[in-house]
Amino acid sequence: SYELTQPPSVSVSPGQTARITCSGDALPKKYAYWYQQKSGQAPVLVIYEDSKRPSGIPERFSGSSSGTMATLTISGAQVEDEADYYCYSTDSSGNHRGVFGTGTKVTVL
Amino acid sequence: QVQLQESGPGLVKPSQTLSLTCTVSGGSISSGGYYWSWIRQHPGKGLEWIGYIYYSGSTYYNPSLKSRVTISVDTSKNQFSLKLSSVTAADTAVYYCARRARGGGSYYEDYWGQGTLVTVSS
Repeated sequence: SYELTQPPSVSVSPGQTARITCSGDALPKKYAYWYQQKSGQAPVLVIYEDSKRPSGIPERFSGSSSGTMATLTISGAQVEDEADYYCYSTDSSGNHRGVFGTGTKVTVL
Repeated sequence: QVQLQESGPGLVKPSQTLSLTCTVSGGSISSGGYYWSWIRQHPGKGLEWIGYIYYSGSTYYNPSLKSRVTISVDTSKNQFSLKLSSVTAADTAVYYCARRARGGGSYYEDYWGQGTLVTVSS
């Protein structure tokens, strides 16, 4: 079955840049999306269609995708950005099955 | 702005059927243009996509759960529901409902409910 692979954890100092990668075979043909999930809360969409930012999401969040890898970048990370981040995409079947990445814990300290 | 709210029993016995409902406000399910999804998250683990339904009743389920899952819609109440049969402790999770949007040929969940914890235990 289709999988999206992320590093388990990323640590960054406040004000520095954090980069989270997501690897998947279908990413050259499918958009990547990114969700932020803070402890005890529902996921929130922070990037859609590889690089677009929903209304209300700070500009320090950006996304890119090249080949089989998508990347979420947090430029100038803040303490409040500490959370789990999940990439998401759909498989290549006509049914567009949703697939979440394995998740990355971002620690800002 | 659309809002979603899950409801249902927080405790289900093994071998029974888990039943949850998602009530949508701020938008009509029957207006079309969106699908409606269920996702779950086992305690301390990642997100697992369960499946979706369209207002017309068409569905698609994750093959890993397909034999036990049924998603239905009640447009008169602006609700959609999840049933998961023959549950075991492995089905203990927080269950989320979400709106599924289409963009550029892909689909993604843009608005989520707050989630509800369902524990499977005797």
